[in-house]
Amino acid sequence: GAGVSQSPSNKVTEKGKDVELRCDPISGHTALYWYRQSLGQGLEFLIYFQGNSAPDKSGLPSDRFSAERTGGSVSTLTIQRTQQEDSAVYLCASSLEGQYNEQYFGPGTRLTVT
Amino acid sequence: AQKVTQAQTEISVVEKEDVTLDCVYETRDTTYYLFWYKQPPSGELVFLIRRNSFDEQNEISGRYSWNFQKSTSSFNFTITASQVVDSAVYFCALSDFSPNTDKLIFGTGTRLQVFP
Repeated sequence: GAGVSQSPSNKVTEKGKDVELRCDPISGHTALYWYRQSLGQGLEFLIYFQGNSAPDKSGLPSDRFSAERTGGSVSTLTIQRTQQEDSAVYLCASSLEGQYNEQYFGPGTRLTVT
Repeated sequence: AQKVTQAQTEISVVEKEDVTLDCVYETRDTTYYLFWYKQPPSGELVFLIRRNSFDEQNEISGRYSWNFQKSTSSFNFTITASQVVDSAVYFCALSDFSPNTDKLIFGTGTRLQVFP
């Protein structure tokens, strides 16, 4: 079946602009995660959704970052007033309900803030 | 606090050599899961294996094998008879057992280059 999809695959934006990144999880996966991968920082957790609620937002780096999930499916990660340090690959993953199931990752969105 | 250490930043081998990627973890939980993921040049993380803390049996899948030792908090990954297609960055990860979360804590990754 279809895997996790993310759009856009690449996004170049000017400092100060807002961006939205989209994630479509695997059908039937109730858990959804956002991670960020940048040079020197490795893979950092951002936020976890179970259904439409986000019990763990502890990884969001600042209040410029927000995310929502609707219909227990698609999720959008929004970054307001982008800064150069936001440049990274943003990865989305999904998994079946229940803790510690393997997470399946999408191809990522490469964000470049100029 | 939970932590995963992959001390090897980069490893280069020649095809057909065996190679072991090290992973050491720290956790106060008695129940936890460990994972290995592969990130080929295309960029997409590929799940390889999940192991729970109660199962210390080694696992073999084709040319891949994993050695889990709770006594040394290690979960090492060996590729036997490496091939060029094994070239990738490999990440070890640990589940976070804190309430209300299901996140993975990743190591910094080991870049494996297999030369023909």
